[in-house]
Amino acid sequence: EAAVTQSPRSKVAVTGGKVTLSCHQTNNHDYMYWYRQDTGHGLRLIHYSYVADSTEKGDIPDGYKASRPSQENFSLILELASLSQTAVYFCASRDRGSEQYFGPGTRLTVL
Amino acid sequence: GDSVTQTEGLVTLTEGLPVMLNCTYQTIYSNPFLFWYVQHLNESPRLLLKSFTDNKRTEHQGFHATLHKSSSSFHLQKSSAQLSDSALYYCALSDQGDNQGKLIFGQGTKLSIKP
Repeated sequence: EAAVTQSPRSKVAVTGGKVTLSCHQTNNHDYMYWYRQDTGHGLRLIHYSYVADSTEKGDIPDGYKASRPSQENFSLILELASLSQTAVYFCASRDRGSEQYFGPGTRLTVL
Repeated sequence: GDSVTQTEGLVTLTEGLPVMLNCTYQTIYSNPFLFWYVQHLNESPRLLLKSFTDNKRTEHQGFHATLHKSSSSFHLQKSSAQLSDSALYYCALSDQGDNQGKLIFGQGTKLSIKP
């Protein structure tokens, strides 16, 4: 079974503060993704990466940065956290032509 | 661009009745991969079914779906709903060109099963 881990699992941040969410996968997958999920909405793609040291914008990239320093690690960075970024964030990985494996999620609350 | 449509936002059923969740897609590629993911409350999405073969039924955990390229559909079905089937269900598409590795997700259908 593919393994994707996220840290922290839960975080409370202050408005205007910096938040870094981390994701680690041990499956040698090339592709990694960050999604957010809000109540009443489906999964929305923030950033993704198909190779180390390169990231791409997803559908809702504003207010977020991403970093892929290695094949295994993919971070999501909120430089100036805002109330509207309160959500559950999922990281995922996959190989080309295969299904996507999701991490357990990070519940972020911005106060 | 590619898209996935799930027409029902919420489906409420009584336990024991059949389940059908609709999924249609659009893609210019002739060999799409289709997926169904299920997400239970406070969990992450996990794969339920996948298919890339036209007109072949695929089954898992009592659910089944058939990819019909002629109608661009991949509906999810189950003969008899259980309380434990209550969850959020996503249909997703990956095209032949693999779209830079992205899966295109539908908006999701919340399935609520009542006793």
